[in-house]
Amino acid sequence: AAGVIQSPRHLIKEKRETATLKCYPIPRHDTVYWYQQGPGQDPQFLISFYEKMQSDKGSIPDRFSAQQFSDYHSELNMSSLELGDSALYFCASSFRESSYEQYFGPGTRLTVT
Amino acid sequence: KQEVTQIPAALSVPEGENLVLNCSFTDSAIYNLQWFRQDPGKGLTSLLLIQSSQREQTSGRLNASLDKSSGRSTLYIAASQPGDSATYLCAVDGETSGSRLTFGEGTQLTVNP
Repeated sequence: AAGVIQSPRHLIKEKRETATLKCYPIPRHDTVYWYQQGPGQDPQFLISFYEKMQSDKGSIPDRFSAQQFSDYHSELNMSSLELGDSALYFCASSFRESSYEQYFGPGTRLTVT
Repeated sequence: KQEVTQIPAALSVPEGENLVLNCSFTDSAIYNLQWFRQDPGKGLTSLLLIQSSQREQTSGRLNASLDKSSGRSTLYIAASQPGDSATYLCAVDGETSGSRLTFGEGTQLTVNP
């Protein structure tokens, strides 16, 4: 079965640089979520989209933005990167017919040096 | 604000034991509760989803129960194996379908051969 795809899997950036993370949800899924997991921490919700419209916003810094495109893939754009942005970034998707069970991608490990 | 607590934080058991992981949440207005498994540095694998109208779900050696009114869930693992060693995370969403997940800090399980 198809899973959530994230790219790149690993990313190394320097402070003040920008990064773009991509997420391809499971086909037919209508909701996409982004989570951030710092070292030794539980995942924290950043933002979600339902049918390409932003549906919820969590503790996402103003330096970050996200959008969902017409083909349902989503991108998380991160600017002015800080050392504290180093984390695993997960994308998840869900849809009504599976009771909105969230399926997670493998994550993108971002390291800011 | 929803808060999720998992007890114990860490657990070490000999192979073959049955064990119980506990999860509690402060706001009983949830749509779903999910249990995940996470291996070190890896993604989140969904183990079981319990809808708010359900009392329990079973998958193989795993059984999860939900008492929504008291804000509690348990994950029962039967006949534990070394391959079960991982961090187990409990997560709840909100009152409406497709809403964000709030995670507990996880239980780190080690099953010794």
